[in-house]
Amino acid sequence: SQQGEEDPQALSIQEGENATMNCSYKTSINNLQWYRQNSGRGLVHLILIRSNEREKHSGRLRVTLDTSKKSSSLLITASRAADTASYFCATDSSWETSGSRLTFGEGTQLTVNP
Amino acid sequence: DAGVIQSPRHEVTEMGQEVTLRCKPISGHDYLFWYRQTMMRGLELLIYFNNNVPIDDSGMPEDRFSAKMPNASFSTLKIQPSEPRDSAVYFCASSWRGSNTGELFFGEGSRLTVL
Repeated sequence: SQQGEEDPQALSIQEGENATMNCSYKTSINNLQWYRQNSGRGLVHLILIRSNEREKHSGRLRVTLDTSKKSSSLLITASRAADTASYFCATDSSWETSGSRLTFGEGTQLTVNP
Repeated sequence: DAGVIQSPRHEVTEMGQEVTLRCKPISGHDYLFWYRQTMMRGLELLIYFNNNVPIDDSGMPEDRFSAKMPNASFSTLKIQPSEPRDSAVYFCASSWRGSNTGELFFGEGSRLTVL
């Protein structure tokens, strides 16, 4: 079964708007990562947040983590048409820093309309 | 660095044929992963290697699937015989324990269609 479950499954917004995607998980984690996948391409790592962190920023990305609720959110501010992609959360329950226990959610398909 | 390189990008074959997918991880990475992505099941981990040794193959669907990593720069995933339900995109990814992040670097995938 999927450890991470994204919500919503699909999101359509206008360019310039903010996009928020949520991820819920079931078991304790060491860290949570977000990946992006453009159509027909491989996944690309966006940002990692550790279990002892609550918020992290990277450019137009803001990630929050609430371990008490076992949930995370990814906010993309001032969205652009080029942000159109699928976004996946991945939870890592291993204490090894190898990504060997990453479990991916089902993804949110984001469409940014110009 | 060229990133993780997979071949072929697309493969169309008939049921019963042998399929071999290839992967070259990023130089210096000590972990290699094979994932399968389908609409129905999402992204599934099939097997992963550490320093060329298979560590966990519990995700391999059945005996028709096999994976090898003869050296640090090359891995194969073989399906023999192939079936239509094997149609999917197969991704190879690599990582480096010393990165302290567990970030995976993915290839562009091999899209397999079994007729």
